[in-house]
Amino acid sequence: EAGVVQSPRYKIIEKKQPVAFWCNPISGHNTLYWYRQNLGQGPELLIRYENEEAVDDSQLPKDRFSAERLKGVDSTLKIQPAELGDSAVYLCASTGVDEKLFFGSGTQLSVL
Amino acid sequence: DAKTTQPPSMDCAEGRAANLPCNHSTISGNEYVYWYRQIHSQGPQYIIHGLKNNETNEMASLIITEDRKSSTLILPHATLRDTAVYYCIVKGSQGNLIFGKGTKLSVKP
Repeated sequence: EAGVVQSPRYKIIEKKQPVAFWCNPISGHNTLYWYRQNLGQGPELLIRYENEEAVDDSQLPKDRFSAERLKGVDSTLKIQPAELGDSAVYLCASTGVDEKLFFGSGTQLSVL
Repeated sequence: DAKTTQPPSMDCAEGRAANLPCNHSTISGNEYVYWYRQIHSQGPQYIIHGLKNNETNEMASLIITEDRKSSTLILPHATLRDTAVYYCIVKGSQGNLIFGKGTKLSVKP
């Protein structure tokens, strides 16, 4: 069974440019999460989806960050425009009925 | 904020048991304790979780004190591949896993 798939694996952009990350969760997992992880820190939750509904986006910086999960399967996280402080690893995770989170390998973003 | 406290780092000799402590003094009666680990350049990986009874699986054992204010993750025979950051987690008010900084375990030959 395929795990959580994220792309791209690495992304380097200049500040003020837009960037998008893609996540395909494990088949059948209704709950999807986006986390951000800064160097030396634990992952911080950005947004949680139950199917296509964002049920917790309280930590998402809505002035520049947006996310969507239109058909309740794969999801996209976007930053526009990117700032230097957005450099981090962006992790996607999904979970089924047993509430065990399965994480992807993440997208490492560098903003120059 | 994370509801758990862990030491920032620990060392363990290869082949010996690694005992990773965690304090969660504000845990409520129906909240589970979850453990994840993160190997360098990978996403976190689920290890084990428990409510009040001790739990064991193929990866580790989880010992929860009777008052549930602390727990210990035990890796019975640590290998070099167990070197990772280990996170002890109690869910936040919204039901989400809130990660702290974890414990960086270094297994040495």
